[in-house]
Amino acid sequence: ETGVTQTPRHLVMGMTNKKSLKCEQHLGHNAMYWYKQSAKKPLELMFVYSLEERVENNSVPSRFSPECPNSSHLFLHLHTLQPEDSALYLCASSQNRGPPYEQYFGPGTRLTVT
Amino acid sequence: QQPVQSPQAVILREGEDAVINCSSSKALYSVHWYRQKHGEAPVFLMILLKGGEQKGHEKISASFNEKKQQSSLYLTASQLSYSGTYFCGTGEEWGDYKLSFGAGTTVTVRA
Repeated sequence: ETGVTQTPRHLVMGMTNKKSLKCEQHLGHNAMYWYKQSAKKPLELMFVYSLEERVENNSVPSRFSPECPNSSHLFLHLHTLQPEDSALYLCASSQNRGPPYEQYFGPGTRLTVT
Repeated sequence: QQPVQSPQAVILREGEDAVINCSSSKALYSVHWYRQKHGEAPVFLMILLKGGEQKGHEKISASFNEKKQQSSLYLTASQLSYSGTYFCGTGEEWGDYKLSFGAGTTVTVRA
């Protein structure tokens, strides 16, 4: 499989559940990102990992916990979420050295918190 | 700070042209354009760099005015396949791989 893949594509969870989102990239990139996409709002950068080290955490609540075990995989662990966390969560990857490079996005996980 | 896109939405008939603008309050080094169709991942269209030339992708082209910190995306002779939401992402420095995205412009092309 090529590009950036995300699983699951859809997730419904209660406020007390714990779940994880998975992202995998097959492009040889060394930077990976989590974004939150809500209706009519700009893409919100949540976390950035460069060479498996977290380099950005945009004041994201602690109920979201990222993990990057290697340069190809990225996880977002979710626990005790709120209804306002319902959104499309996008993963992306890119190179991280030299001139600006394009980001390649996965199809996203549509999360609904009930 | 995130860039501002205008208009928020535009409706076109096939063959018509449109311009989407992306403005920032900060000095920019790069502007990236993406298109996202409903239920799909955003897809990269092009990057414009400070000091670079206008770019093109089929009948979609873009320009970057560094002094005004503004980029424009031009849809020429639009096709049905051009429908989607267009996002700009901005970077402030060379090597800046973290982008700030605009809210998007929804383009609907009708037959």
